[in-house]
This record gives sequence, C-alpha cells and structure tokens, in this order.
Amino acid sequence: QSALTQPPSASGSPGQSVTISCTGTSSDVGGYNYVSWYQQHPGKAPKLMIYEVTKRPSGVPDRFSGSKSANTASLTVSGLQAEDEADYYCSSYAGSNMWVFGGGTKLTVL
Amino acid sequence: QLQLQESGPGLVKPSETLSLTCTVSGGSIRRSDYYWDWIRQPPGEGLEWIGTIYYSGSTYYNPSLKSRVTISVDTSKNQFSLRLTSVTAADTAVYYCARRSGTYEDYWGQGTLVTVSS
Repeated sequence: QSALTQPPSASGSPGQSVTISCTGTSSDVGGYNYVSWYQQHPGKAPKLMIYEVTKRPSGVPDRFSGSKSANTASLTVSGLQAEDEADYYCSSYAGSNMWVFGGGTKLTVL
Repeated sequence: QLQLQESGPGLVKPSETLSLTCTVSGGSIRRSDYYWDWIRQPPGEGLEWIGTIYYSGSTYYNPSLKSRVTISVDTSKNQFSLRLTSVTAADTAVYYCARRSGTYEDYWGQGTLVTVSS
C-alpha cells in the first residue's frame, strides 16, 4: 500500500482555476469511485471538500469540483480566492477495508 | 454537533507504548452507519491512515503498522483508543481521530501532537 502521488505544489492568481492531480493504481484510485479530497489550513484539522470523486458536502462552494480518469483523480478549484490557499490531500479506498492518502499539495494563491 | 477530542501523553519515550483516546460527544459511537478512524501526520508531512474500528469491535489496520497497532472501542464511554507499541522518533506526529461516514472522514478531532523522545 503506497501513498498516492500528488504534486508538491500548485499555484494560481485570484480568479483563475487550478487543478491538482492524485495518481494511484488500479488497486486504489482506478479500482473504486471512492476518492475524497481534504483541505488543511496550517495548524488545523483536515476538512472534507469532495467525496466519492465528484460529490460536494453541504457548505463547500461549488468552485470546488472533482473528477477521475483511469488511475488519476483531480481536484479543480475555480475562481481562486485567497482563503483557498492551503494544503490539499486526496484519499482513496484501497480494497480490503484499507485507505490510502496522497502526499499532499500546497496550493498558493499568488 | 458531533465533536471528537483526542487525549493522551504528549511525550513518549522510544521503545515504549503510545496510548491515545478519542472521546466522541454530540452523537453515539454505536451508530451502525459510521466507522471510527485514527490518522496521523508527521511534522511537515502528509496524512497517514493508521486504522479503523467499528462499534462492534471489528478493526482494520494499515499493513505497515499492523504489527504494532491496536485500536479498541468502549461504547459505554463513547470512546475509542489507539495503542502503538515500540515507538521510535518516526512515530512523532499529530494524531487525529475521525468519524468515517462510508467512504470519507466527515468529522475530525483537533489533533494531538505526540513526540517520541528520551
């Protein structure tokens, strides 16, 4: 069970869109539609932003969207705002009641 | 509003056992549609799933930690606990407890930093 692969960093200017990728294998990301995304501000607990690849919990702005193609899931943040600057982590079901996280991506709003 | 709170020693000596408890308030740990997770985050690093427990006591562990981890539940106290044996400096991390609602964690504790040092 290896960590999912995310780019260490991503950036965009206010109002722009940015996409963060999360690459796994056919045993996790590619095998199930159980990818979640979490936002974490410094010193805070993670917050659920997307679940089951594309679903948004109540209260999460529709600027956040998720998708998946083969073994890679993606989180897109549209209309970037200053408060979107945070670390983002993906997570996927890996079979046999196991879960795996990505290494995290630091999103900077320029 | 559901709340989770981690508690336990913030400093553990190498080779000893790390023990943490998560107290759940605002909801019952016996709800059949939820699981309960432990997740950790070394300083400056990413998240790592440690394991999951169901109120019935069924447990699931990260294979990389399985030989050292035990997660237990006390439904009478609405708590679940983590034990990690033979700790080293590599186990220094913020430890989070969280509720798993099917395929995602929807409620998290604030996290507690555990440092392994002599």
